[in-house]
Amino acid sequence: QVQLQESGPGLVRPSGTLSLTCGVSGASITNRKWWSWVRQSPGKGLEWIGEIYHDGSTNYNPSLKSRVTISVDKSKNQFSLNLSSVTAADTAVYYCAREERTVAGTAFDYWGQGTLVTVSS
Amino acid sequence: SYELTQPPSVSVSPGQTARITCSGDALPKQYTYWYQQKPGQAPVKVMYRDTERPSGIPERFSGSSSGTTVTLTISGVQAEDEADYYCQSIDNSGTYVVFGGGTKLTVL
Repeated sequence: QVQLQESGPGLVRPSGTLSLTCGVSGASITNRKWWSWVRQSPGKGLEWIGEIYHDGSTNYNPSLKSRVTISVDKSKNQFSLNLSSVTAADTAVYYCAREERTVAGTAFDYWGQGTLVTVSS
Repeated sequence: SYELTQPPSVSVSPGQTARITCSGDALPKQYTYWYQQKPGQAPVKVMYRDTERPSGIPERFSGSSSGTTVTLTISGVQAEDEADYYCQSIDNSGTYVVFGGGTKLTVL
């Protein structure tokens, strides 16, 4: 069974950098899958942040692209999110998820439990 | 940027049929996926490729597609179906993932 687990600080100062890691178990991150970050602000909907393939290829949400970096560590079977210059608007539950991307489209088949990150001084 | 549009809320009585729509210009070309999310939980996929139901999802969940609109139908709604539902697809370039704004299904 594939499992994903987010980890990282729950509190980030404004203008700082939010850093989270997603550990993957039950599957190799080098499988032919994409690995994504999705967030959900309190009481709001889901927002896709971006994705990475094991070869380092990335795609980012255009609205966040200037502040986002997603990286992969194959030796640790994990991938990470960095979001810079954060404000209170970046307060959200952050999920990592595995994507099934095919010619028929892309969908998320496994999700982490989510981790709340609060941006506050 | 590309957007998917859902109604903010749908309310039905138990046993009735709930229909949740999702509209987007690229939907005739790109498949849509639906997720159910209950409070404090991660989303769970309830429909894929517009009309296919994952294993373990009750038969009362079905999907349909017509032009730029796809619909998630829940027949014989049960109290346990009360949740937020999100459609998800990809833009015309096939690059960027997009979620709809979500629909809160209330079972009266």
